[in-house]
Amino acid sequence: DGGITQSPKYLFRKEGQNVTLSCEQNLNHDAMYWYRQDPGQGLRLIYYSQIVNDFQKGDIAEGYSVSREKKESFPLTVTSAQKNPTAFYLCASTRQGNYGYTFGSGTRLTVV
Amino acid sequence: AQSVTQLGSHVSVSEGALVLLRCNYSSSVPPYLFWYVQYPNQGLQLLLKYTSAATLVKGINGFEAEFKKSETSFHLTKPSAHMSDAAEYFCAVSEWSGNTPLVFGKGTRLSVIA
Repeated sequence: DGGITQSPKYLFRKEGQNVTLSCEQNLNHDAMYWYRQDPGQGLRLIYYSQIVNDFQKGDIAEGYSVSREKKESFPLTVTSAQKNPTAFYLCASTRQGNYGYTFGSGTRLTVV
Repeated sequence: AQSVTQLGSHVSVSEGALVLLRCNYSSSVPPYLFWYVQYPNQGLQLLLKYTSAATLVKGINGFEAEFKKSETSFHLTKPSAHMSDAAEYFCAVSEWSGNTPLVFGKGTRLSVIA
């Protein structure tokens, strides 16, 4: 079955450490997105990519970085510059047009 | 810029009662509108979408929503709540071309009381 896979499901980060969240899709979707979810704040866009080797900043890109070297993969790195990284991170993808997103099951990141 | 306002961060209904979750949008171009559902510690699942074909949209699990341009609303309803409907619901908007990312509301948590 086609889908979008996020790993790991839970991740713990020490202060000053960079961590990378994985997002892989086998839906042949062109566009991929990273959202951050905090209680009561809905989903906020971090980065998105509509084609390989190209990506754009979202509303809260500071302290995050991404790459899009393959159509199937859109990893998110949470850098030490992100001062409050504890959150639930959601990856999504969609094909060209406006068909709604397919979401992964999320990664919960906690700073320890 | 587009935006979504969901009225009520928490709605509580009795099992078998009508579910009404409110969503108002702001968009300078014709919008596409979506409702998603999220169960605890999971991703979001698409319930239904409005893409300018019919103003009354039927989705999964017995939910439906009506697009009202004059009221800039896209409220989600279900005639009879079930315990399994307890979840968080998000309304989202994008422009018709799909070239801009979805903008989400802050969500409404639905509780169903037995």
